[in-house]
Amino acid sequence: SAVISQKPSRDICQRGTSLTIQCQVDSQVTMMFWYRQQPGQSLTLIATANQGSEATYESGFVIDKFPISRPNLTFSTLTVSNMSPEDSSIYLCSVYLAGVSDTQYFGPGTRLTVL
Amino acid sequence: AQRVTQPEKLLSVFKGAPVELKCNYSYSGSPELFWYVQYSRQRLQLLLRHISRESIKGFTADLNKGETSFHLKKPFAQEEDSAMYYCALSGYNNAGNMLTFGGGTRLMVKP
Repeated sequence: SAVISQKPSRDICQRGTSLTIQCQVDSQVTMMFWYRQQPGQSLTLIATANQGSEATYESGFVIDKFPISRPNLTFSTLTVSNMSPEDSSIYLCSVYLAGVSDTQYFGPGTRLTVL
Repeated sequence: AQRVTQPEKLLSVFKGAPVELKCNYSYSGSPELFWYVQYSRQRLQLLLRHISRESIKGFTADLNKGETSFHLKKPFAQEEDSAMYYCALSGYNNAGNMLTFGGGTRLMVKP
């Protein structure tokens, strides 16, 4: 498995501001993912962040709203830009471990509330 | 397109009763399916995967390709099984491997 940490664990932000969420992994991984979990909902994939290439965004998510960085194999950031109350969610990063595990492991999540 | 459906948002059973959490999927290729669990105030974690055919915490799940189902079962529920359970399908997008999650089922095991 992998140990994944996220910062901040939670935040309360004002409308119109931006928040950058950090995700740190204790081992080098190629594939990292960012998910959103809106209140009472399941997880929705925002984008896949592979090191050395641009992030790939899923339908309904755009780079201007959710810019992602992936500077190395252990770290990624997701920015939620120009926030509105509809962006209030839990944001989770995950990593894919091939081989024996061959699945994704998740960080603890960042609970974002936008006022 | 890949899709995962969990028809029950809430399942409530008494301790010791059998449990079955339903999951149906839609996928054009050969599916890889998982069950994830999220206990209160804990992170999402992998419970089991169909490839390994394992039993974790007494839970099992069998992939039925004919019925496109991957139901999670346990013969005798325990109070500590109370949690959110998500069925997930592994597929591929342009960037590589991706997981599609069902809507989740909250299991409540009453004493």
